[in-house]
Amino acid sequence: DGGITQSPKYLFRKEGQNVTLSCEQNLNHDAMYWYRQDPGQGLRLIYYSQIVNDFQKGDIAEGYSVSREKKESFPLTVTSAQKNPTAFYLCASSIAEDEQFFGPGTRLTVL
Amino acid sequence: GENVEQHPSTLSVQEGDSAVIKCTYSDSASNYFPWYKQELGKRPQLIIDIRSNVGEKKDQRIAVTLNKTAKHFSLHITETQPEDSAVYFCAASISGNTPLVFGKGTRLSVIA
Repeated sequence: DGGITQSPKYLFRKEGQNVTLSCEQNLNHDAMYWYRQDPGQGLRLIYYSQIVNDFQKGDIAEGYSVSREKKESFPLTVTSAQKNPTAFYLCASSIAEDEQFFGPGTRLTVL
Repeated sequence: GENVEQHPSTLSVQEGDSAVIKCTYSDSASNYFPWYKQELGKRPQLIIDIRSNVGEKKDQRIAVTLNKTAKHFSLHITETQPEDSAVYFCAASISGNTPLVFGKGTRLSVIA
């Protein structure tokens, strides 16, 4: 199961708190992605990055922020502006013209 | 932007029967169509993919067909087994290195 890792596996957030989800890959992939999964909604794109120091908003970027300072790392911060953050968060990476590999996910719950 | 519709949302089959899941997409520029299987609480895993220069691809009990004119693609699982029970997602993108747009998933139950 190596290659792309996420931490923590479970995360609890209090109202008004920012939290950061970690995503690391050692696959030498250029592109990395963050998806949010809610029951019955499939996977929705939050942010993606195709190269270091560059990233683009996805369909549901409001209330989230990212950085891409290293090729291996693409952390996602869930800010207090995200009013309904309880979900399963999946990070993925890919190399040009090839499949996306997913990390094991982080389940975030708001207390 | 791209929109992917997936049907049915749930599917129950008897063990040994075939299962078919269908997806349609809206952006004619899409040329990469993967299918992922996700077991409860786990990450999605690629089971098969197809590119627009191919009409059909098969891997043992799994096959995918693509009709670019009609903008739809389908997953076929033959001789289903209980371990095939999972949620299946179709997706589409312009290439493998651009964000995937996912369908909402099909929950497949294989009844022994």
